[in-house]
Amino acid sequence: QKEVEQDPGPLSVPEGAIVSLNCTYSNSAFQYFMWYRQYSRKGPELLMYTYSSGNKEDGRFTAQVDKSSKYISLFIRDSQPSDSATYLCGAGGTSYGKLTFGQGTILTVHP
Amino acid sequence: EPEVTQTPSHQVTQMGQEVILRCVPISNHLYFYWYRQILGQKVEFLVSFYNNEISEKSEIFDDQFSVERPDGSNFTLKIRSTKLEDSAMYFCASSITGTGGYEQYFGPGTRLTVT
Repeated sequence: QKEVEQDPGPLSVPEGAIVSLNCTYSNSAFQYFMWYRQYSRKGPELLMYTYSSGNKEDGRFTAQVDKSSKYISLFIRDSQPSDSATYLCGAGGTSYGKLTFGQGTILTVHP
Repeated sequence: EPEVTQTPSHQVTQMGQEVILRCVPISNHLYFYWYRQILGQKVEFLVSFYNNEISEKSEIFDDQFSVERPDGSNFTLKIRSTKLEDSAMYFCASSITGTGGYEQYFGPGTRLTVT
């Protein structure tokens, strides 16, 4: 079983839509979770960081972690064409900073 | 805004050659990492480094790989004898701490092509 699983998509939505991106994980020792945005052939850009369960909001982005179901989500409100990218979820906490990533979800927001 | 930088952006090398990939982490960060991403695949952890020592390494990080912080600003990944399957994007990342402020900031990557 993969430690972090993510539906690769692709996901295509119209501009202005609410986007929901999700990951599941299997390792109960994971304590912190991050969402990254990656444009083609670029480095991952940190969007959201969450420690343990709960919600965190930053502008149009909301991250949710439910440790009881081992489920993490990223919501994007009022999506824009510039949000078109691959979104990576990462989890860590088992050792010195090692992050385990999902496959990434390819998102396209069309005008 | 501080950022992680990496050089070169693209490196082409022949199989069996040694390569050194360079990174300058964010200046007040103490933990450093290398990850790689083979085209179309997920980002994979290679190694973490703190206080001039390797903290953890993955099974990918075999004897062909080594890391070093040769001075107060650079962090390098050396591959001693490159193989075709080492072709990938290599990302350096850094964080303030490994057990508190976990946010890891990634560099733009070095694309390594082994021919």
